[in-house]
This record gives sequence, structure tokens and C-alpha cells, in this order.
Amino acid sequence: GDSVTQMEGPVTLSEEAFLTINCTYTATGYPSLFWYVQYPGEGLQLLLKATKADDKGSNKGFEATYRKETTSFHLEKGSVQVSDSAVYFCALLFYNQGGKLIFGQGTELSVKP
Amino acid sequence: EPEVTQTPSHQVTQMGQEVILRCVPISNHLYFYWYRQILGQKVEFLVSFYNNEISEKSEIFDDQFSVERPDGSNFTLKIRSTKLEDSAMYFCASRVDLGDGYTFGSGTRLTVV
Repeated sequence: GDSVTQMEGPVTLSEEAFLTINCTYTATGYPSLFWYVQYPGEGLQLLLKATKADDKGSNKGFEATYRKETTSFHLEKGSVQVSDSAVYFCALLFYNQGGKLIFGQGTELSVKP
Repeated sequence: EPEVTQTPSHQVTQMGQEVILRCVPISNHLYFYWYRQILGQKVEFLVSFYNNEISEKSEIFDDQFSVERPDGSNFTLKIRSTKLEDSAMYFCASRVDLGDGYTFGSGTRLTVV
């Protein structure tokens, strides 16, 4: 079945370090791909999305490119801040299936000053 | 910015008791969802609801679960007889249509003792 796999956490970085969180997916068809972020005590917020192959989603300095050939959607940021500390979820969605999101297990990021 | 509101933020209940988790979706949204996240695990789809009926449900959403939109503004998830394994964070979400992104609530942490 359709699934999403993320790199294990927690990931601990120093401020201004480069961030990569890996995400790969298995899907029959052509889903849209998303990154959601969950700050402590809050709900899931959409960070960025890409709806077709080679699309790049970007927001708040984060980027991810939809790579159909490697079935990946890795999240990157050039210089992380303490305020980026959160849990990051990769997800896929088929719009023609009622809009059900399939999530990865989440990766906790901790950024130290 | 419009929000999805969930109440209560934390509920403790005894095994075998009924609980109702409440959500107020964004007013012009048409599609409604419940997801849950057991501590340390993935966010899992439970059910989607459109036009006053369930459009899709997961294997988790068995006869112990039900959803209702009783008054055109609230969207509730009822668990008839809670089990220990129902302890999780429950997220409500809504969106305008299938082409749009989700807006998630902050979640209700349910603890069954």
C-alpha cells in the first residue's frame, strides 16, 4: 500500500547549520507531497507542498523537491534557527481518493544556540 | 487567520467510558477529518466526512467510533467504550475542497486509564 518513510529522529543541530530531513514514499499513482510542522503544544501546520514531479515547494527558508525518479521529497534548510525546533512530518495525498493524508512517522528537530 | 478549534485540549477517562471529542471547523469548509497519533507513532487517518456522511474510514474506525455534525458548526468524534489503546492525540482537520490544503486543530490528548 501507499506509505511514507522519514529518517529517524531526533536530529540535533547547532544554530545556522544545514538541515536535511529525508523522506521517501511508495505510491501507486501520482500523489501530491507535503511537509507539515508541529511546534510544541500546537497542531499540524502546512510548511510546504508540491503537486507534481520536479515541483519545488518552499516556505520560511525550507525547500523540498518532488523527485519522481527516486520517490523522494527531502526537506532542506540552509541555516536553521532555534525557533525551527519542532517535529516535521512528510505526507502524501491523492486528491481523487477523498483527500486522505498518509503521514510519515515524524522527525524531531532540536536546534541548539 | 481562521482556525480549527478543538476541545478539550486534554481529557482523561476511565476504560469503558464514552468520550466525545469536539471540533469547530472553519466555517466555509466542506470536508472534515479526524486523525490520531499514538505517542511516538505516525499520524493516522481515521475518517473523512462530507455532505453529512462518512466518505472514507480506516480500519481503525470500527463500530466503537462515530462522527457527527450535529448543528452545522461542530464536528464530533465519539468513542463509545474506550480502551487503553485509544490513548492518543486526536486531530481534527477541515478544508474547503479537495484541491486545497488542510487546516488542522491543535489536537485533544485523550488518556484512557
